[in-house]
Amino acid sequence: AQTVTQSQPEMSVQEAETVTLSCTYDTSESDYYLFWYKQPPSRQMILVIRQEAYKQQNATENRFSVNFQKAAKSFSLKISDSQLGDAAMYFCAYRSGGLTSGTYKYIFGTGTRLKVLA
Amino acid sequence: EPEVTQTPSHQVTQMGQEVILRCVPISNHLYFYWYRQILGQKVEFLVSFYNNEISEKSEIFDDQFSVERPDGSNFTLKIRSTKLEDSAMYFCASSEGRSGRAGEQFFGPGTRLTVL
Repeated sequence: AQTVTQSQPEMSVQEAETVTLSCTYDTSESDYYLFWYKQPPSRQMILVIRQEAYKQQNATENRFSVNFQKAAKSFSLKISDSQLGDAAMYFCAYRSGGLTSGTYKYIFGTGTRLKVLA
Repeated sequence: EPEVTQTPSHQVTQMGQEVILRCVPISNHLYFYWYRQILGQKVEFLVSFYNNEISEKSEIFDDQFSVERPDGSNFTLKIRSTKLEDSAMYFCASSEGRSGRAGEQFFGPGTRLTVL
């Protein structure tokens, strides 16, 4: 079964600085998708960035980028020029491509709480 | 931009009561999901639904839970006899397809269920 691990329960970053949130996963599949979600105090799940496993190029979305290391099964999120509004819980998530596992559910990590210091 | 909506945003109920959580998925989506997040914990999959039947469910989704698509727009989660441990945030999600980019799930804003 697939698992997602976020080993940093909490991280802090100074405003305008860069922070990296870690995520590792375990799977025997070659076809899958990885996501980072932001959850502010409202608890809504906001998609930050996605990565298709078959793409070697790391995904980027403005100040957010990932370091996808497929062989190491690592998927970290880098936030550049951190802003106060980035403060939230961040969840890493995995979705199987479904071809071998037959499942399409999202599997989430336990989350990392990011604090942004003014 | 189309989005998944959920009602109510917050539901308070007494232990043992039945609750129905409602979701309106994105209109052209065919696959529907419920997830649960107990406060301070990770989001967990409950059930997926397609073509008017459950396609996958987790061990959490026991006989107290049921899902239904009563009409062409709503997707509901019913908890027959709520327990204190059912208190959580419940997220509905929908996707256009199951695989590839079409399988990307769009999440609603959640319903916070409080069982007293």
